[in-house]
Amino acid sequence: LAKTTQPISMDSYEGQEVNITCSHNNIATNDYITWYQQFPSQGPRFIIQGYKTKVTNEVASLFIPADRKSSTLSLPRVSLSDTAVYYCLSAGGFKTIFGAGTRLFVKA
Amino acid sequence: GAGVSQSPRYKVAKRGQDVALRCDPISGHVSLFWYQQALGQGPEFLTYFQNEAQLDKSGLPSDRFFAERPEGSVSTLKIQRTQQEDSAVYLCASSFLTGTKNMYEQYFGPGTRLTVT
Repeated sequence: LAKTTQPISMDSYEGQEVNITCSHNNIATNDYITWYQQFPSQGPRFIIQGYKTKVTNEVASLFIPADRKSSTLSLPRVSLSDTAVYYCLSAGGFKTIFGAGTRLFVKA
Repeated sequence: GAGVSQSPRYKVAKRGQDVALRCDPISGHVSLFWYQQALGQGPEFLTYFQNEAQLDKSGLPSDRFFAERPEGSVSTLKIQRTQQEDSAVYLCASSFLTGTKNMYEQYFGPGTRLTVT
C-alpha cells in the first residue's frame, strides 16, 4: 500500500508562502496525489489533487516532479486561519491511506 | 447545497453496549467511505461503498464492526459490544464519482466522537 512521509510540524508567519513536502516512495503508476486540510473538530477538507507537473487552484499549488516520488503543497501568503493539519495521500484503489499529517502553525 | 451530515455528533457508550452511527452523504454521491480517527492521528480507512455495494471492508478492526448502505444513500456503521479502544472520531466521506481520480476528492462530515467508558 502507498505510504507517505511528511514533516510532523511547521511554523510560519502571516503573509509568508509555506511549502510542505511529502515523500511518496512507493507510489504506483495509477496513484493520484491528493492533499487535505483539517481543522480541530472538523472532517478533512479537500485542497488539491494532481498526477504530475503542476496544478494550481484558488487555494494552493501542487508541484509534482517527473519521478512522482514527492509532492509539494504551496500555500501563498498564509493567514492565521491556515493553522491546521495538512495530509498528503497517494492512492489508486478504494483504500485511502492518510498519514499522520503536518501540523502547520501560523503566527501573527 | 447540504454537505455530508453525521449523527449523533457525540456518543457516550458503556463498555459492552452496541452503537449505531449514521451518515447522510451528499445527494447523488456514489462513493462512501468510513474512517476512524484517533486523537492526534490521521483518519484510518475502515470501509468503502460504491452505491449499495461494500467493495472494501479491509479496514474494519474486528467482526464487531459492521457497515451497511442498503439503498445506496444513507449509511450506518454499527459497533457491537463496544470496547474502550473503540473510542475515537468516526468520519464519513462521500465522493461523486468512482473513477480513480475523482474518488479522492472526498467530502467529509463533521464526525461522530465516540467515547466508551
